[in-house]
Amino acid sequence: GDSVTQMEGPVTLSEEAFLTINCTYTATGYPSLFWYVQYPGEGLQLLLKATKADDKGSNKGFEATYRKETTSFHLEKGSVQVSDSAVYFCALTAGGTSYGKLTFGQGTILTVHP
Amino acid sequence: NAGVTQTPKFQVLKTGQSMTLQCAQDMNHEYMSWYRQDPGMGLRLIHYSVGAGITDQGEVPNGYNVSRSTTEDFPLRLLSAAPSQTSVYFCASSYIRTGGFGYGYTFGSGTRLTVV
Repeated sequence: GDSVTQMEGPVTLSEEAFLTINCTYTATGYPSLFWYVQYPGEGLQLLLKATKADDKGSNKGFEATYRKETTSFHLEKGSVQVSDSAVYFCALTAGGTSYGKLTFGQGTILTVHP
Repeated sequence: NAGVTQTPKFQVLKTGQSMTLQCAQDMNHEYMSWYRQDPGMGLRLIHYSVGAGITDQGEVPNGYNVSRSTTEDFPLRLLSAAPSQTSVYFCASSYIRTGGFGYGYTFGSGTRLTVV
């Protein structure tokens, strides 16, 4: 079945540090890939997405590139802020028997200190 | 504001009680779904619907029922609450587009349920 694996957390950084959160996936066919962010006490918000190989999703300074050859979709940001502290989820949706189902990684807690 | 509305935000149940978690969206999305979020496990799909009158099971459906009588509403029913159903529940909706769900999903703010 489909699966998503995220790097273990939590991740603690100082403000303005570089962020990478690794995400790899297993899926049949050509899934769409997403990063969602969950701020404390809130629901999930779509951060960025990519629907085909080599697509780069970007939003709010975050970027991720759909790498089919390495089945990866790593999240990066060049300079994090305290306001980026949240839980980040990598997810995918594939076709076939998984039609419509979002498969999530386990989430990575990011804490940014001033 | 347009979006997905979930009620209640918090609920405490006793073991064996039943209740319904409400979910409504005003974006005319065909697809709606329920997830539960447990620590260290990400989100897992409970049930989903691709349109009014059509529902199907997800990854963890046991102990839950759903129905979809209108496009807007997708309630989740707990038949006989158990402590293992203590979790945060999220409702999500999406358009169904040719080629997949590339638009992503819109999530509600969640219902935190505790079963004692």
